[in-house]
Amino acid sequence: SQQGEEDPQALSIQEGENATMNCSYKTSINNLQWYRQNSGRGLVHLILIRSNEREKHSGRLRVTLDTSKKSSSLLITASRAADTASYFCATDGIQGAQKLVFGQGTRLTINP
Amino acid sequence: DAGITQSPRHKVTETGTPVTLRCHQTENHRYMYWYRQDPGHGLRLIHYSYGVKDTDKGEVSDGYSVSRSKTEDFLLTLESATSSQTSVYFCAIRPQMNTEAFFGQGTRLTVV
Repeated sequence: SQQGEEDPQALSIQEGENATMNCSYKTSINNLQWYRQNSGRGLVHLILIRSNEREKHSGRLRVTLDTSKKSSSLLITASRAADTASYFCATDGIQGAQKLVFGQGTRLTINP
Repeated sequence: DAGITQSPRHKVTETGTPVTLRCHQTENHRYMYWYRQDPGHGLRLIHYSYGVKDTDKGEVSDGYSVSRSKTEDFLLTLESATSSQTSVYFCAIRPQMNTEAFFGQGTRLTVV
């Protein structure tokens, strides 16, 4: 089964609001990454957080990691129409660290 | 953009025929991955490579084989295509474990 599970599967908000997506995983990890996918395109890397980090920022993105709960969240602040995309978490496990395993993704829609 | 090219970009093939998808990189990255993306399943790892002639299975490897005879090329072969292999296939590369991955634009394969 897949390492990452994301919640919610779909999220629709108004432009300017904040969007929060969650990712849970099952086994111990070295790091967790978030990717964005625009419709019909390949995935683009957003941010990587290591297992010894609790929070990381990049522009309007804020990622948290709670290894005790095996979960992560991605917060996009002041959303824009261009943020409409699917967002995926991916993990590098301690076991089988060469694999990069993805979750099912969250489809985010920003309404103007 | 990372130098990664998938070919073909689109293919329609008949059930029972062999199909080979190619991933070519110009980055000299060690790791290469093949994923399939289906609605409701996110990205699932098929096979990956950690060097020339070094490959390993992912979570959905049945019905697929891979080869990597050169650093720059990673081939995915469906020996006898089935309708369940209709999907969008993505190649990804990364320089080492625990780093970000770079994705190709995908190959849409339809098996009729």
